Amino acid sequence: DQQVKQNSPSLSVQEGRISILNCDYTNSMFDYFLWYKKYPAEGPTFLISISSIKDKNEDGRFTVFLNKSAKHLSLHIVPSQPGDSAVYFCAASALGTSGTYKYIFGTGTRLKVLA
Amino acid sequence: NAGVTQTPKFRVLKTGQSMTLLCAQDMNHEYMYWYRQDPGMGLRLIHYSVGEGTTAKGEVPDGYNVSRLKKQNFLLGLESAAPSQTSVYFCASSEHAVSGNTIYFGEGSWLTVV
Repeated sequence: DQQVKQNSPSLSVQEGRISILNCDYTNSMFDYFLWYKKYPAEGPTFLISISSIKDKNEDGRFTVFLNKSAKHLSLHIVPSQPGDSAVYFCAASALGTSGTYKYIFGTGTRLKVLA
Repeated sequence: NAGVTQTPKFRVLKTGQSMTLLCAQDMNHEYMYWYRQDPGMGLRLIHYSVGEGTTAKGEVPDGYNVSRLKKQNFLLGLESAAPSQTSVYFCASSEHAVSGNTIYFGEGSWLTVV
């Protein structure tokens, strides 16, 4: 049972346009959400995050929106640049039964920004 | 600032061989993790540690063992490698487990079992 889902395996966007990456989750106990960016042959790097008490967080060209009632979050990249071409993972964290926080990752969306 | 460092970066093993992946972090983080990444599967947690001397199972622990003898190091061992363990392995670390912590990843270790 996949608790964090990224239903679009890939996305192509023209340079300068908006990229919208989506993520759905099923566990209402998730209280913190993160987006990671991964280039080939490198480890994932942290991009932006949002607490469940907020509905929006912005950092430069990147904005994350959270819709708790729909259990949905999205990452907006405006304007998209060729260097944004990478795999994007969303992740969610919640306190587990062992008393420690667990991070659950989605399967990733490969973004390709076309010049 | 090295962050999270993994060694080796690439390794080819024969079925049945054993090996150890080493992870080191210089951020004084309490928590450390081992994930594997497979096509279409995202990042799945193998084992994790909440502090020196502790280990716990993640989502896919079978066939792996771990040890955290020093706070800065987290070792992942394969006692008898199987082709199903061909994957990319990522080590990660984070501060105390409170809501809002970011986890930081190493660059990955590519393992092929033939």
